[in-house]
Amino acid sequence: QSALTQPASVSGSPGQSITISCIGTRSDVGGHRYVSWYQQHPGKAPKLLIYDGTNRPSGVSDRFSGSTSGNTASLTISGLQAEDEADYYCRSYTSSTFHVTFGGGTKLTVL
Amino acid sequence: QVQLQESGPGLVKPSETLSLTCTVSGDSISGYFWTWIRQPPGKGLEWIGDIYYTGNTNYSPPLKGRVTISVDTSKNQFSLKLSSVTAADTAVYFCARENREGGLDYWGQGILVTASS
Repeated sequence: QSALTQPASVSGSPGQSITISCIGTRSDVGGHRYVSWYQQHPGKAPKLLIYDGTNRPSGVSDRFSGSTSGNTASLTISGLQAEDEADYYCRSYTSSTFHVTFGGGTKLTVL
Repeated sequence: QVQLQESGPGLVKPSETLSLTCTVSGDSISGYFWTWIRQPPGKGLEWIGDIYYTGNTNYSPPLKGRVTISVDTSKNQFSLKLSSVTAADTAVYFCARENREGGLDYWGQGILVTASS
């Protein structure tokens, strides 16, 4: 059972925007800014999309954005494209122990 | 360009020890945290543990007691040992680097390890 809760699936049409939530507690997501998001295509290693809750690494499209509010982190993908169809994971850690947890993952389907 | 490559046996017998090595190229292992993550077939990502280049470790509570992560700065490698494996340990095992802002910015391609007799 994941300590971070994500919806199992989301879907959207090309060009639309979708948001994936990642619900934690004040001990992890709500306690610091170190939330990161990853995209994983089938058979591939995950790719870093967002770190520090809101920052994008160089080379990641600005269609991907992150935000945090209270105990919830969110990933928004705007202008959906077929290539965005993948699994998405959030990651955080518990402030007191530095134990890392991943969300259970969200499967994005582009209709 | 930083690259990570996992290596080790793809088949481990139940009750034996799984041993994997991650070789880092393109940058020094010094100055960073390095982590092991696994993904059972058809399931999500699971954090196994991480190690700072100085050797300080942090392990997932469910696996603590069976896991040992070590680092060899002279070889630019870090390693994973998981003892007393069962079928539940069958997974793709990834190694990754944690950047200074807490994101896992470089990953190995992953290696499938099957626990079976």
